[in-house]
Amino acid sequence: SQTIHQWPATLVQPVGSPLSLECTVEGTSNPNLYWYRQAAGRGLQLLFYSVGIGQISSEVPQNLSASRPQDRQFILSSKKLLLSDSGFYLCAWSPGTGVFSPLHFGNGTRLTVT
Amino acid sequence: KQEVTQIPAALSVPEGENLVLNCSFTDSAIYNLQWFRQDPGKGLTSLLLIQSSQREQTSGRLNASLDKSSGRSTLYIAASQPGDSATYLCAVGQGGGYQKVTFGTGTKLQVIP
Repeated sequence: SQTIHQWPATLVQPVGSPLSLECTVEGTSNPNLYWYRQAAGRGLQLLFYSVGIGQISSEVPQNLSASRPQDRQFILSSKKLLLSDSGFYLCAWSPGTGVFSPLHFGNGTRLTVT
Repeated sequence: KQEVTQIPAALSVPEGENLVLNCSFTDSAIYNLQWFRQDPGKGLTSLLLIQSSQREQTSGRLNASLDKSSGRSTLYIAASQPGDSATYLCAVGQGGGYQKVTFGTGTKLQVIP
């Protein structure tokens, strides 16, 4: 069966510090991978998606970047965090074939920028 | 631009009640609709996925229906239990090549013992 791992679970970082959140998927090949951010009282916002190694698309301009160095690894990064980067970050995957497949989410990372 | 609305934002019911959660969307050109459950501080757990060609899906005490033409979906929970307390989100899938998904803001359900 497929599983998705996301870490760390919580993170407190000062403004201006770098960020690296990691997500890995097991039990499947060539998944589509996604980074979402969930702000309090608001719906999930898609930040980045990837359909293959090295292929990253950004949905919104921001202080963050994403990379996919391996087939089942997705990394969310920032060189200098802003207060507005605080939020709940969720990694998700879906099978790489077709659009009729469900999204599967990790447990999320609660990021607090102080 | 697709907009997904979930009403009510919060709902409190006594244990054992049957209940319906609502989801509406503005663009009926969808591929699928997915219902999720989110416990506090946790990720989303997929409950049901309805393809655009389907009318409903069932899993245990859960039944989700889809009416594309009217832009509505409902999630029916039978014989609610305190363990059902969570936030329920619906998500509408569009586009090709990847899952272009628009989420509602959720309905926070509390089932009182």
